[in-house]
Amino acid sequence: AQSVSQHNHHVILSEAASLELGCNYSYGGTVNLFWYVQYPGQHLQLLLKYFSGDPLVKGIKGFEAEFIKSKFSFNLRKPSVQWSDTAEYFCAVNEWDKIIFGKGTRLHILP
Amino acid sequence: KAGVTQTPRYLIKTRGQQVTLSCSPISGHRSVSWYQQTPGQGLQFLFEYFSETQRNKGNFPGRFSGRQFSNSRSEMNVSTLELGDSALYLCASRPAGGGAGEQYFGPGTRLTVT
Repeated sequence: AQSVSQHNHHVILSEAASLELGCNYSYGGTVNLFWYVQYPGQHLQLLLKYFSGDPLVKGIKGFEAEFIKSKFSFNLRKPSVQWSDTAEYFCAVNEWDKIIFGKGTRLHILP
Repeated sequence: KAGVTQTPRYLIKTRGQQVTLSCSPISGHRSVSWYQQTPGQGLQFLFEYFSETQRNKGNFPGRFSGRQFSNSRSEMNVSTLELGDSALYLCASRPAGGGAGEQYFGPGTRLTVT
């Protein structure tokens, strides 16, 4: 069965720092990949998705992610974080018609 | 359009009891999925319903069950509650033709089992 690993459980950064959150999935073939975000007190929402084509995908709020097939990775990046990016981030991959989520990374941005 | 709604938002139950949670998807969405979110395990898929039929099921015991009505509203039932069932239960809906990951989540029901 497909699985998703998020390497960092808790990340603390200062505002304006660059961000990279790691995500690896367990096996290849055709995959659809996603990053979801859960801001404090808010619903889980889709940040960005990769289905096919350009491996560098851009999402909302300045986030982007790069799909590297050879590394089974889909890392999330943002060049300069803001305090409002404080949230929990979940990487996810589809398995047939199901979505398999990683365990999440809590990101805390210091003002 | 109104988002996904879940009721109740908070629930406290005792071990051995049973509980029913409700989810109303976004209007026009026919697929409803349920997830259990805990600090240790993250988000785990419970099941998905489409047009009143269970289409997918995760690795949860038979105490966890669900159903979907003709108006696409869904309910999830947990019988013989255990302490470990304490979690945030999330419901998500997606439109017909939407990819599996394009899900719209509700606010969740926080279940505490004592």
